Amino acid sequence: NAGVTQTPKFQVLKTGQSMTLQCAQDMNHNSMYWYRQDPGMGLRLIYYSASEGTTDKGEVPNGYNVSRLNKREFSLRLESAAPSQTSVYFCASSVYLQGAYEQYFGPGTRLTVT
Amino acid sequence: KNEVEQSPQNLTAQEGEFITINCSYSVGISALHWLQQHPGGGIVSLFMLSSGKKKHGRLIATINIQEKHSSLHITASHPRDSAVYICAVLSNFGNEKLTFGTGTRLTIIP
Repeated sequence: NAGVTQTPKFQVLKTGQSMTLQCAQDMNHNSMYWYRQDPGMGLRLIYYSASEGTTDKGEVPNGYNVSRLNKREFSLRLESAAPSQTSVYFCASSVYLQGAYEQYFGPGTRLTVT
Repeated sequence: KNEVEQSPQNLTAQEGEFITINCSYSVGISALHWLQQHPGGGIVSLFMLSSGKKKHGRLIATINIQEKHSSLHITASHPRDSAVYICAVLSNFGNEKLTFGTGTRLTIIP
């Protein structure tokens, strides 16, 4: 049981390049999330998916797109990377337990845009 | 003002000391999470609680819903406890989205 996995672990992009961050979970969770973590700030929600085929914008969605093609996988795409998107990106999934949603996080992707 | 405030932002202590990290929030919540993040590492959930107190090993988490406040305590602290501890809340509007504090960086000196 691998939990939540993310690829790649590290990536360097030039401004204007595109890339897709991959996330998968094998816990049969319905809900999945993409967050970014920046120094001095709490984790911020980029996009959220409550179930296969549905997505909702979070707090900071500009410059990103997501795709939830099946229950396991939730990908995050940067169409034209900007230096402001330099960050650590975490994927998570959640399950309803004891009256609330418990989240499980992936190991993170450290992205640098030059 | 952030919805979730943690204090202190940084904490350095000697091995063996009793540690307290505080979290205050301004919204009604259904649950509060304490998370741990080691340097360069992923994020692990330590506790999810909606009332009272939970204990796991040397870690204790408490919450006071009326005062909108939670504390994370570490007894007999050890250098391996050095990490960033993050408080996050789930609002009570039935959604699944967490709001995070900025974290407390804990360093335990041998």
